[in-house]
Amino acid sequence: NAGVTQTPKFQVLKTGQSMTLQCAQDMNHNSMYWYRQDPGMGLRLIYYSASEGTTDKGEVPNGYNVSRLNKREFSLRLESAAPSQTSVYFCASIWTSGSRNEQFFGPGTRLTVL
Amino acid sequence: RKEVEQDPGPFNVPEGATVAFNCTYSNSASQSFFWYRQDCRKEPKLLMSVYSSGNEDGRFTAQLNRASQYISLLIRDSKLSDSATYLCVVNKRDSSYKLIFGSGTRLLVRP
Repeated sequence: NAGVTQTPKFQVLKTGQSMTLQCAQDMNHNSMYWYRQDPGMGLRLIYYSASEGTTDKGEVPNGYNVSRLNKREFSLRLESAAPSQTSVYFCASIWTSGSRNEQFFGPGTRLTVL
Repeated sequence: RKEVEQDPGPFNVPEGATVAFNCTYSNSASQSFFWYRQDCRKEPKLLMSVYSSGNEDGRFTAQLNRASQYISLLIRDSKLSDSATYLCVVNKRDSSYKLIFGSGTRLLVRP
């Protein structure tokens, strides 16, 4: 049981390049999330997917697109990278049971845009 | 104003000390409350949920004051391994389970 996995762990891009961050979870969770974390700031939600086949914008969606490929996989795409997108990106999925819930995070992707 | 506000610290305490972190949230519709722990360059992990009646897990005690929109975390008998950033997190009870994170409070426990 690997939990939430992300690839790649590190990436350096030039301004204008595109790339896709991959995320997968093997816990059979319905909802998945993409966050970015910048120094001195909390995690901010980029996009989320409440269930397979649905995606919705979070707090900071501009410059990103997502695909919920199936229940396991939720990818984040940068079409034209900008230096402002230099950040650490975390993918998460959520376990829920009644009123209880817990988000499980992947190890993160450290992205630098030059 | 941020939805979840925390003192960034760092709190620098000796081993064995008791330390308390506070957090305020602005959205009265917030329904669920958590403390997450994040080690340097690692992903956040759930430390404990915070219940209205307050709850304790070993050396950790969490309290919620809905009237003041205030959450606290108390760590007793601090260990070196407690050094980390502690994130205050809230969400509304809707179908999205979106979490709102504070920017975190950094704790350094020294020998």
